Amino acid sequence: NAGVTQTPKFQVLKTGQSMTLQCAQDMNHNSMYWYRQDPGMGLRLIYYSASEGTTDKGEVPNGYNVSRLNKREFSLRLESAAPSQTSVYFCASSVLPPGTGSTDTQYFGPGTRLTVL
Amino acid sequence: SQQGEEDPQALSIQEGENATMNCSYKTSINNLQWYRQNSGRGLVHLILIRSNEREKHSGRLRVTLDTSKKSSSLLITASRAADTASYFCATSSYNFNKFYFGSGTKLNVKP
Repeated sequence: NAGVTQTPKFQVLKTGQSMTLQCAQDMNHNSMYWYRQDPGMGLRLIYYSASEGTTDKGEVPNGYNVSRLNKREFSLRLESAAPSQTSVYFCASSVLPPGTGSTDTQYFGPGTRLTVL
Repeated sequence: SQQGEEDPQALSIQEGENATMNCSYKTSINNLQWYRQNSGRGLVHLILIRSNEREKHSGRLRVTLDTSKKSSSLLITASRAADTASYFCATSSYNFNKFYFGSGTKLNVKP
């Protein structure tokens, strides 16, 4: 049971390049999330998927797109990377969406460190 | 925004002492959770307290919640060097499936 896995671990892009961050969970969770964490700050929600087949914007969605490929996988795409998107990206999953009580505890992946030059 | 704010931003104590960190939030919540993040790692869930609970314990952790003041505190008793990490509170509301994290308290426990 690997939990939440993310690839790649590190990535350097040039401004304008595109890339996709991959996330997978093997816990049969319904909900998945993408966050970014900037130095000295908490996590900010980019996009989330409450259940397979649905996606919704979070706090900072501009410049990103997501795909809930199936119940296990949730990818984050940067179409045209900008230096402001330099950050650490975390994927997380939970049994059920937040607001449902004890089942909305989130499990996090190890993160992807992205630098945009 | 419903974002939680932790206080203090940084805390340095000696091993064996207790560490207390606080979290304030802005709107009504369904529950509040505390997470720990070791340097360079993802977040790990520590404890969840529901809005109708006032106090909860888990090992050396004690969490309190005061919904009238919209605040929570996390107490780590008899701290260890291994407790050195950043601690975040996260809140979720009843009618909307989002999570809001605070900016964290960076705890340093000196051996």
